This record gives sequence, structure tokens and C-alpha cells, in this order.
Amino acid sequence: NAGVTQTPKFQVLKTGQSMTLQCAQDMNHNSMYWYRQDPGMGLRLIYYSASEGTTDKGEVPNGYNVSRLNKREFSLRLESAAPSQTSVYFCASSEVGTGYEQYFGPGTRLTVT
Amino acid sequence: QKEVEQDPGPLSVPEGAIVSLNCTYSNSAFQYFMWYRQYSRKGPELLMYTYSSGNKEDGRFTAQVDKSSKYISLFIRDSQPSDSATYLCAMYKAAGNKLTFGGGTRVLVKP
Repeated sequence: NAGVTQTPKFQVLKTGQSMTLQCAQDMNHNSMYWYRQDPGMGLRLIYYSASEGTTDKGEVPNGYNVSRLNKREFSLRLESAAPSQTSVYFCASSEVGTGYEQYFGPGTRLTVT
Repeated sequence: QKEVEQDPGPLSVPEGAIVSLNCTYSNSAFQYFMWYRQYSRKGPELLMYTYSSGNKEDGRFTAQVDKSSKYISLFIRDSQPSDSATYLCAMYKAAGNKLTFGGGTRVLVKP
């Protein structure tokens, strides 16, 4: 039982490049989330998916897109990376109605030069 | 103004001391109050949560919520070097099914 897994662990991009961050969970949770964490800012919600087939914007969605591929997988795409998107990205999952009990992946450290 | 405020620290204590952490918030609609622990270069992990006002104890950890003051606390008794981490408070309201995090407090427990 791996919980929440994320790939890649590290990535360096040049400005304007694109990439997709992958997330998968094996806890049969319906809800999944993408956060970014910057120093002193805590975790800020980018997008979330309450259930398979639905996605909604969070606090900081600009410059990102998401795909809920199936119940297990939720990907985050940067179409044209900018230095302001340098951050640590975390994926999380929870059961519907218990969004206070979220389980996090190990994170992806992204640097955009 | 942020919805959830948390002192960034760092908070340095000797082993065996009590660690006291707190957060204030502005949105009275929050219903659940969480504490997450995050070790360096790892993802956050849920320590405990409290629904509404009151106290909750789990081993060496005690969480307190005072909704009238919009103030929550986490106490760690008999602190250990393994408690050295960043502690994030988080708040939840059912409408929207989303968490709002504080910025985190870095704690260092010295042997």
C-alpha cells in the first residue's frame, strides 16, 4: 500500500517549456488535490477534483491545467513554465466529505530557470 | 490579511521541554482544525484534528480549539529530537471540501 505517489521527484525546466506532474493514489479515495508550497506561504491549493470526472480551480490556478484521468490518477500540467512557478508541488487525496483528512504525496521539486 | 496566521519560528527547545504552537484565524465558518507535521523534504502528514471547540489528546500531543477567540494550539509534551519538523495548522469548512493552511512553524528540539 504505497498511499500517494508522485513523479518526478525533481525537475528543472527552462522558461517556456511544458511538463506534466503525475500523481496516483491507491486508497480508493474520490477526492484529489494539487498544492504548491513556497517559503512562508504554507500550502496553497491549485486545483482539486472532488470526484472522477470533475475538477475545480483553487486559490492559485493561473498557468496550470489538470486532468483527472481516472479515480486513481490526477495530473498537473504546466503549459509554458515561468520562474514564478518554481516551487514544491504536492498531491493529496481524501474521501468525499472528509476533506479535513488529506493524505499527501512526497512532493515534486520544480525549478524554472 | 491571510485567513490563517501562524508564527514561522524557528522555535528551539531543549529535549524534554513542552512545545507550544498556535494559530489564529479569521473565518468563523471553519469547522475542523488540523495539525500536520512535515519533515524536511517530505510531504505533510496529519497529526490530529479537532471538530469545533475543545481539547483532544493523543499520546504526547494535545490540540486545543477556542472558536470564540479564533485561536488553536498544539502542545507537545516531553519533546524529542524526532519532533524536529515544521508544524502546519489547517482549517476546513464543509462547503467546498477544502483546507486552508497556515504558513507553518519550524520546531527544533535540541538533545
